Amino acid sequence: QSVLTQPPSASGTPGETVTISCSGSSSNVGFNYVYWYQHLPGTAPKLLIYRNNQRPSGVPDRFSGSNSGTSASLAINGLRSEDEADYYCGTWDDSLNDRVVFGGGTKLTVL
Amino acid sequence: EIQLVQSGAEVKKPGESLTIACQASGYTFTSYWIGWVRQMPGKGLEWMGIIYPGDSDTRYSPSFQGQVTISADKSISTAYLQWTSLKASDSGIYYCARHVLRNSAWLEYWGQGTLVTVSS
Repeated sequence: QSVLTQPPSASGTPGETVTISCSGSSSNVGFNYVYWYQHLPGTAPKLLIYRNNQRPSGVPDRFSGSNSGTSASLAINGLRSEDEADYYCGTWDDSLNDRVVFGGGTKLTVL
Repeated sequence: EIQLVQSGAEVKKPGESLTIACQASGYTFTSYWIGWVRQMPGKGLEWMGIIYPGDSDTRYSPSFQGQVTISADKSISTAYLQWTSLKASDSGIYYCARHVLRNSAWLEYWGQGTLVTVSS
């Protein structure tokens, strides 16, 4: 059971916009920056979004992040076949035991 | 170029000990926290803990406290994850990652992962 809640799956056709949600609480998403990672099987996770809505150098502007209250979301515009991957949100949790917490991951399928 | 290069895949029996490594290059090893992340087969990412190689300050996620030991050797820019008595449930892929900040999930650089298989 992950501390952050993501839908297990999402899908879209090429060119569409897909949004992945990430729900938490006041001790994590509601208080700290959210980060998004793209993970292709057999490879290292890749930082996609940092500090809620910032893109590292090299990440296409098709990817965007937002955060409101205890929920965050990742939007992928102009969906492409190479976007098919697992996506994870993560943040710091300031509850009794400080730690990084991740969502359960969302498997994105490009139809 | 910043790189985290992890040691190779391991196959172990229950009860055996194991240490896997994560060698850093391209930056000042002692200036950034290094974390470990587990991915069990078919499951998501789980953060295990973190170490600051500069002074070996180490913190663990409650789920992993007492189950593993995180250490670092700054003379060779390498962080370690150690088990003294493996269980089948320790099977998975283990990633090291460089934290940008101590109290954040900002993991900027990742190792390629080490597959650990524990089976009798």
